[in-house]
Amino acid sequence: AQSVTQLDSHVSVSEGTPVLLRCNYSSSYSPSLFWYVQHPNKGLQLLLKYTSAATLVKGINGFEAEFKKSETSFHLTKPSAHMSDAAEYFCVVSGSWGKLQFGAGTQVVVTP
Amino acid sequence: DADVTQTPRNRITKTGKRIMLECSQTKGHDRMYWYRQDPGLGLRLIYYSFDVKDINKGEISDGYSVSRQAQAKFSLSLESAIPNQTALYFCATSAGSSYNEQFFGPGTRLTVL
Repeated sequence: AQSVTQLDSHVSVSEGTPVLLRCNYSSSYSPSLFWYVQHPNKGLQLLLKYTSAATLVKGINGFEAEFKKSETSFHLTKPSAHMSDAAEYFCVVSGSWGKLQFGAGTQVVVTP
Repeated sequence: DADVTQTPRNRITKTGKRIMLECSQTKGHDRMYWYRQDPGLGLRLIYYSFDVKDINKGEISDGYSVSRQAQAKFSLSLESAIPNQTALYFCATSAGSSYNEQFFGPGTRLTVL
């Protein structure tokens, strides 16, 4: 079985400052991990994915995430927040046949 | 040009009514999924289908049914809607060769009064 915990339900950052969204996972085998973003009134868009290749994964819009097996973490970062980054972000772990387990989500607010 | 489309995008209905939400895809994927999203709960899987003849219950299937009319179409029905089925519903697809990566539709916002 697998599960995901997003450690922050809300994150507020100033434009131009770094963004850190924290995610811990639990999985009985080597997982595939994803970050999805949902902008207001939009569907979910894949930001990046980890599938047992490089542990530092680069995604779209300047986001990246690092897989740390020893810490069972997959935190999402961006060096400099933009106003367009305001959205809800979901950390997701994939099971054996592709069943996705979603975290509860982190709402990101970006202030000018 | 959306690859995964959902109709309707918004629907308000009354308790006890039968509702159908439809999903179509042009990605050629064999796997399709229905999720519901509730605030603070993320997305939860209702039903999934690996092909037209293979339909499976997800973690919250009670009160829902589905139909896979063709490879490209997957419908979700609420036989008798109740207020706690008020939610945002998403359809998703994935290819069998890379089943981990799912592509989502824009969502249907359903309100049951």
